[in-house]
Amino acid sequence: QVQLVQSGGGVVQPGMSLRLACAASGFTFSNYGMHWVRQTPGKGLEWVAIIWYDRRNEEYAESVKGRFTISRDDSKNTLYLQMNSLTVEDAAVYYCARRREQRSYLDFWGQGIPVTVSS
Amino acid sequence: IQMTQSPSFVSASVGDRVTITCRASQGISSSLAWYQQKPGKAPKLLIYAASSLQSGVPSRFSGSGSGTDFTLTISSLQPEDFATYYCQQAENFPLTFGGGTKVEIK
Repeated sequence: QVQLVQSGGGVVQPGMSLRLACAASGFTFSNYGMHWVRQTPGKGLEWVAIIWYDRRNEEYAESVKGRFTISRDDSKNTLYLQMNSLTVEDAAVYYCARRREQRSYLDFWGQGIPVTVSS
Repeated sequence: IQMTQSPSFVSASVGDRVTITCRASQGISSSLAWYQQKPGKAPKLLIYAASSLQSGVPSRFSGSGSGTDFTLTISSLQPEDFATYYCQQAENFPLTFGGGTKVEIK
């Protein structure tokens, strides 16, 4: 069965960095595009980034462009989100999610991991 | 593309028919998904391509619409359906979600 298990969240101070990971199993990871989505009580669900299955293209939300980097290691079946220059606005529960074939519908999600940014 | 859901809150009873609407700020063809989220859990894909039922999702859930106006219908509400529902457009990046509709027990 498809599983996405997330790790790496925590509490950081503004301006610091954090890397999230999402370990995939139960499917051929290298064949799928993968997303990061975040959720806050105030802003709801906010899409963050996508990396395509061939790693040739990435897309980012304007709010994170230049600060966050999505990457993948197909040999480890793992997706990453490197988050730099964090602000309080980045505090959220972060989810990784698999892109359904042909369109960016998110058919499987990780369990979610909280990121707190506080001084 | 902005996604606007209505209503924000629905109070309903088991067995009721519930309809949630989602409007896109511009045409998105049929590139729309619906998700269900329960407290403390990740969203779950229910409907994709506006009207296609995701595998394993009960047939009481259905979706319709195209262009800018979409509908999620639960034909007979069950106890496990009390949750928050979100629409999401997949036509363009950035992907965007509606603000959510919370379905609560009357």
